[in-house]
Amino acid sequence: DAGVIQSPRHEVTEMGQEVTLRCKPISGHDYLFWYRQTMMRGLELLIYFNNNVPIDDSGMPEDRFSAKMPNASFSTLKIQPSEPRDSAVYFCASSRTGLGLFFGEGSRLTVL
Amino acid sequence: GESVGLHLPTLSVQEGDNSIINCAYSNSASDYFIWYKQESGKGPQFIIDIRSNMDKRQGQRVTVLLNKTVKHLSLQIAATQPGDSAVYFCAENMGMNRDDKIIFGKGTRLHILP
Repeated sequence: DAGVIQSPRHEVTEMGQEVTLRCKPISGHDYLFWYRQTMMRGLELLIYFNNNVPIDDSGMPEDRFSAKMPNASFSTLKIQPSEPRDSAVYFCASSRTGLGLFFGEGSRLTVL
Repeated sequence: GESVGLHLPTLSVQEGDNSIINCAYSNSASDYFIWYKQESGKGPQFIIDIRSNMDKRQGQRVTVLLNKTVKHLSLQIAATQPGDSAVYFCAENMGMNRDDKIIFGKGTRLHILP
């Protein structure tokens, strides 16, 4: 298996622009997680899905953030409009019930 | 890469010595714990896990100890090697109703001295 695949690996955008991050989980995994990593706050859980259904989005910072999982093999995290404080590395991870998470390589976002 | 913080506690260990990384978890109801390793510029990588009905689990060169009484988790790495240099995170499952809501601790940077 290719592992969790994220795109883009790097994105530089200007404040106010829309950003879309994409994730393909490992086939057969029923959980998908979006995390954000910053120097100040470490690894924060933003939202997670089980069988494509959002279970807990309490970590999503505000209404500018949204996440979808239209099918078992694809998820997006969207920020609209983006702000400089959104600059971070965004990780997607997937798992099968009761097992550890497998992470992608991350999407490094810089908002100018 | 700068994906991890500059303010992390750092453990410096001589190559070949054993390393012990500690973690305090927050939720007494958590029933599943995991250690991850994150190398510079990469995503966290699963190392070893343990369930709350155990107090010790061993892998290859790594051992995880769980003390539920004081809510403490530790990772022991035997014969530390240069490739062990990374940031190590403990994580706990804080999900309700057996959902896998995995929350990470702040991390510890392991620095290997030659």
